[in-house]
Amino acid sequence: DIQMTQSPSSVSASVGDTVTITCRASQDIANWLAWYQQKPGKAPKLLIYLASNLQSGVPSRFSGSGSGTDFTLTISSLQPEDFATYYCQQANNFPVTFGGGTRVEIK
Amino acid sequence: QLQLQESGPGLVKPSETLSLTCTVSGGSISSSTYYWEWIRQPPGKGLEWIGSIYYSGTTYYNLSLKSRVTLSVDTSKNQFSLKLSSVTAADTAVYYCARRNGGNKNWFDPWGQGNLVTVSS
Repeated sequence: DIQMTQSPSSVSASVGDTVTITCRASQDIANWLAWYQQKPGKAPKLLIYLASNLQSGVPSRFSGSGSGTDFTLTISSLQPEDFATYYCQQANNFPVTFGGGTRVEIK
Repeated sequence: QLQLQESGPGLVKPSETLSLTCTVSGGSISSSTYYWEWIRQPPGKGLEWIGSIYYSGTTYYNLSLKSRVTLSVDTSKNQFSLKLSSVTAADTAVYYCARRNGGNKNWFDPWGQGNLVTVSS
């Protein structure tokens, strides 16, 4: 199975900050990567697919980049509703696997 | 828009079988475009893909659970189901159903709200 490693596991930030989350795959997955946002007690919500494609309805302050084994999710101008946990997921092959999550907390 | 809703018991005894159903509304489960998924999340932990079913009944399972998992689909009811046998406390989790596009588009959207299943005597 492909292992997905996210860092940091948590980050404290203020409204208006820019936050960057990193995801590393244990092998080359090209651009077959998705990012999700999960709020407490809710299901994950798809933000980005194919590493950099914004899902319909997702604000443009979210962006993704990377290919191969190293990927980044950037949240620009952090908003109160962005405080949540973020997961990456490799979509290259089965079983699909997820990163351990990054919790974005209010500073 | 498409909505998914899990249903089933919230408490299952050790060694018994966990059974959940996902009802799809706002779209047909018989669409040739999509696959239907189960994903779980133990309390406070990360996400684990369980398996996938196509409307025709074709299934794909996570090998780590394959010996205990059975997925089925009922197109007449627009539902698909999960059975997980011989459960232990390690199977305590929120179980989500979700939709996946076919054709290598292996990401999940939308998701159901989740069903917490606790394994305890």
